[in-house]
Amino acid sequence: GENVEQHPSTLSVQEGDSAVIKCTYSDSASNYFPWYKQELGKGPQLIIDIRSNVGEKKDQRIAVTLNKTAKHFSLHITETQPEDSAVYFCAASRDSSASKIIFGSGTRLSIRP
Amino acid sequence: SQTIHQWPATLVQPVGSPLSLECTVEGTSNPNLYWYRQAAGRGLQLLFYSVGIGQISSEVPQNLSASRPQDRQFILSSKKLLLSDSGFYLCAWSVSRGSGYTFGSGTRLTVV
Repeated sequence: GENVEQHPSTLSVQEGDSAVIKCTYSDSASNYFPWYKQELGKGPQLIIDIRSNVGEKKDQRIAVTLNKTAKHFSLHITETQPEDSAVYFCAASRDSSASKIIFGSGTRLSIRP
Repeated sequence: SQTIHQWPATLVQPVGSPLSLECTVEGTSNPNLYWYRQAAGRGLQLLFYSVGIGQISSEVPQNLSASRPQDRQFILSSKKLLLSDSGFYLCAWSVSRGSGYTFGSGTRLTVV
């Protein structure tokens, strides 16, 4: 089955700097890669996703990149702000009738003022 | 628009007591439904998922069970809670098993 590894487990960056979170996956048939942000005491919220026919996707200060050959994908947050502090989860799945989303272990991002 | 409701938000239960957590989805039909547990500072552990009424798949053996009595209702239960059942329980839904999930707001369960 699919296995998703996420690094680092914790990340602290200065406000205004960029943050990068990296994930690798094992199932070469996976073709959907969402990212979730979980604020303290709340459920995870989908912030961006990418499918395997696309190498990069941007939404304002957030971007995701996908390297299918190497089976890794990354989340990039530029010009970080205090409200970016949260736990971020990557995930991977197939678009098939028997698939589930497999989550990474999470990255706790702290933005230093 | 679709919404997901999960309650209660917090719950403190003694060891050995029963549990019932409820999740309902509005604005969609035949959703895929999921129960996750998140221990403090840890990742998301899939407990159960359901692709239709009465259809429950269990991911890990445990003290918990799930039921789907109606299309948009998913219930997590236990007959006798253990201390190790403490955690943050999240319900989620998706329109297909390979698409993004929408999570509920979670229930923080403390077993004492």
